[in-house]
Amino acid sequence: ELKVEQNPLFLSMQEGKNYTIYCNYSTTSDRLYWYRQDPGKSLESLFVLLSNGAVKQEGRLMASLDTKARLSTLHITAAVHDLSATYFCAVDMTGYALNFGKGTSLLVTP
Amino acid sequence: SAVISQKPSRDICQRGTSLTIQCQVDSQVTMMFWYRQQPGQSLTLIATANQGSEATYESGFVIDKFPISRPNLTFSTLTVSNMSPEDSSIYLCSVDGNTDTQYFGPGTRLTVL
Repeated sequence: ELKVEQNPLFLSMQEGKNYTIYCNYSTTSDRLYWYRQDPGKSLESLFVLLSNGAVKQEGRLMASLDTKARLSTLHITAAVHDLSATYFCAVDMTGYALNFGKGTSLLVTP
Repeated sequence: SAVISQKPSRDICQRGTSLTIQCQVDSQVTMMFWYRQQPGQSLTLIATANQGSEATYESGFVIDKFPISRPNLTFSTLTVSNMSPEDSSIYLCSVDGNTDTQYFGPGTRLTVL
């Protein structure tokens, strides 16, 4: 059974600070996804990482994938309040459907 | 990217009744997926809906409780049958996009009293 573990599950950070969210998964997979969910909203796709060593950046967020370590990271640089949301990583289970981590609830405070 | 709509967006239902949720995509897709997100929780896959064949259900989900239809390549329905308060969740459909990502609909927020 594929397990996806995120940590931390809750993160409160000050504006301007940097932090990293970690996503570990238990079996081999070639695709890893990061999503953002705002309260009461659906999921917004942030990144799709398709190969070992893949790194993608969008604004203050950068995601990377190490398939050998079965680890992905989502790095937040100089956090701003607008980044407050829940972030999910998800791993491709069967070639199509996704297995999600529990999510990291991020709160950025002044 | 794919644009996905769901109906209804939310509903409040009585115990023992059933609700059918519709998912419409703006382009033809091979596979559609139904997920459940219980309050404060992550997403759990209910089933994969393929056009022209029976849906494939994940462990813990059965067809009698969650019947799915997939009449064509742009549409699917999920029915939540004989509802109980434990079925209160957000139900989301998703599709595999052409850019290696999965797109999610806006979700249906269901409350069962």
